[in-house]
Amino acid sequence: EDQVTQSPEALRLQEGESSSLNCSYTVSGLRGLFWYRQDPGKGPEFLFTLYSAGEEKEKERLKATLTKKESFLHITAPKPEDSATYLCAVEGNSGSRLTFGEGTQLTVNP
Amino acid sequence: GAGVSQSPRYKVAKRGQDVALRCDPISGHVSLFWYQQALGQGPEFLTYFQNEAQLDKSGLPSDRFFAERPEGSVSTLKIQRTQQEDSAVYLCASTPSYDEQFFGPGTRLTVL
Repeated sequence: EDQVTQSPEALRLQEGESSSLNCSYTVSGLRGLFWYRQDPGKGPEFLFTLYSAGEEKEKERLKATLTKKESFLHITAPKPEDSATYLCAVEGNSGSRLTFGEGTQLTVNP
Repeated sequence: GAGVSQSPRYKVAKRGQDVALRCDPISGHVSLFWYQQALGQGPEFLTYFQNEAQLDKSGLPSDRFFAERPEGSVSTLKIQRTQQEDSAVYLCASTPSYDEQFFGPGTRLTVL
């Protein structure tokens, strides 16, 4: 059974204070690891897909990295508008479904 | 282009009532997924369609839950005899193939 654990559950940062979110996973044959952002009352918004260990992707202040056991979402010089819940999910070779972690609720204070 | 849309956005049902939740995927997307998201939790898989074929329904929590996609586009998730534990946000997602899934805004179901 695929499993995803995210840490921390919640993170408070000051504007400009860089940090990282962790996603640990176990999966039978990783087909892809996905990062999503979810704002209150909205559906998850796609950020990144990573397919193999060593892969990195960047978008504005966000960078996602992947190893064989975990993924990190690095946030550089965050702004208040980066406040959201960040979800990590994996797709294994058992099917097309995504298995999500419980998310990290990020708050960036001005 | 338009994203995934879901209706209604909010639904309040009395315990025991039947409800139907609709999902309009992105045009041309072959695959469609339903997820259930409890408050403060990540989404949990319910069921998956490829075109009109329901390929995986292993996540449906009971036989009160039923999903269909008869023409390979719009999908409906039906919950019969709703219970309080069915209260959650129901998310629909679509994808053109095996890439990232695009989510709709969800339907928040409250069972009283």
